[in-house]
Amino acid sequence: AIRMTQSPSSLSASTGDRVTITCRASQGISSYLAWYQQKPGKAPKLLIYAASTLQSGVPSRFSGSGSGTDFTLTISCLQSEDFATYYCQQYYSSRTFGQGTKVEIK
Amino acid sequence: EVQLVETGGGLIQPGGSLRLSCAASGFTVSSNYMSWVRQAPGKGLEWVSVIYSGGSTYYADSVKGRFTISRDNSKNTLYLQMNSLRAEDTAVYYCAREPGIGLFDYWGQGTLVTVSS
Repeated sequence: AIRMTQSPSSLSASTGDRVTITCRASQGISSYLAWYQQKPGKAPKLLIYAASTLQSGVPSRFSGSGSGTDFTLTISCLQSEDFATYYCQQYYSSRTFGQGTKVEIK
Repeated sequence: EVQLVETGGGLIQPGGSLRLSCAASGFTVSSNYMSWVRQAPGKGLEWVSVIYSGGSTYYADSVKGRFTISRDNSKNTLYLQMNSLRAEDTAVYYCAREPGIGLFDYWGQGTLVTVSS
């Protein structure tokens, strides 16, 4: 099974900061990677798929990059509504999520 | 508008059975791939099972042989039959639509399953 490892597990940032979260796959997954945002008590929300394609309705401050085994999610200018937990997920072989990265207010 | 509503969660003793339902509206369940994803309290997301539009089903190793995914086309509803439940199955269970193989674009609100004596 493909394992997904996110770093960091948590980070503290301020509104307006640029934030980068990384995700590493245990084997190559081409661009079969998605990113989700989850707020407490809510279902996850799809942000990005195919490593870099923004889901409809998602603000352009979110971007994704990478292929193979290394991927990043970048939030260019953190807004108050972006404080949440972010998960990467591979869909190259079955479906596996990373352990999550919690973005907290500094 | 696409909507998914899960029901059927609750408190169940170890070894017991429970059936979750996911009623869909705004699209046709049988024309899509549909999955169940769970989240243990305070933990991350874990994919559980998928049913393809053609009817093929697949399961995570952690639930294989104990859980069964199915759908009722006439009711536009997805199900998850959970047998031989264990404490480690305690989680919020979400149903989710897959617009393509493996990623999830619409999610339900989740239903909590607690396995405890």
